[in-house]
Amino acid sequence: NAGVTQTPKFQVLKTGQSMTLQCAQDMNHNSMYWYRQDPGMGLRLIYYSASEGTTDKGEVPNGYNVSRLNKREFSLRLESAAPSQTSVYFCASTVTGVTGELFFGEGSRLTVL
Amino acid sequence: GESVGLHLPTLSVQEGDNSIINCAYSNSASDYFIWYKQESGKGPQFIIDIRSNMDKRQGQRVTVLLNKTVKHLSLQIAATQPGDSAVYFCAGSTSGTYKYIFGTGTRLKVLA
Repeated sequence: NAGVTQTPKFQVLKTGQSMTLQCAQDMNHNSMYWYRQDPGMGLRLIYYSASEGTTDKGEVPNGYNVSRLNKREFSLRLESAAPSQTSVYFCASTVTGVTGELFFGEGSRLTVL
Repeated sequence: GESVGLHLPTLSVQEGDNSIINCAYSNSASDYFIWYKQESGKGPQFIIDIRSNMDKRQGQRVTVLLNKTVKHLSLQIAATQPGDSAVYFCAGSTSGTYKYIFGTGTRLKVLA
């Protein structure tokens, strides 16, 4: 039972490079989320997708784009990485309809030099 | 804007004592709250949740209390164990928004 799977787990980028973080869930969840976690800042919502075909901005969307590829997959793209985007990124999912528990992946640690 | 925050960044307790971790939220429309535990290098793990139509909910060694009047909730851990050492987050959500807003976290240290 994989749950929420994120790839890659670690990535080092140079300023200005682009990359995509992949997330997939096998729980048939409707809603998916991307958070970033910085020391002392907790988890901040970047983007979310309430259901397949929809995406919305969260608290800190600038510098990111997302794609809800299908019900299972939700990717996060950095078009031109900046040092301020050095963080740990978490993907999460939940069932839509009744507010409930978020299930998290193990995280992707990104360093931008 | 909407925020969910905790009162203390670090809490140290003796093994066997009870722990209380507090959280305040700003959005009076929030009607669902979750507590998560995060161990080093891992993703957050669900501990317990509570809906706004309840004041208290109990799980295994954990209790969550919700005071809607002052927009405050707490997580109580009974007989704290070394395995409870982690960072604890509260999160709030409002039905229909699909958004979950997290607090900054409290690091719980269990002293032997």
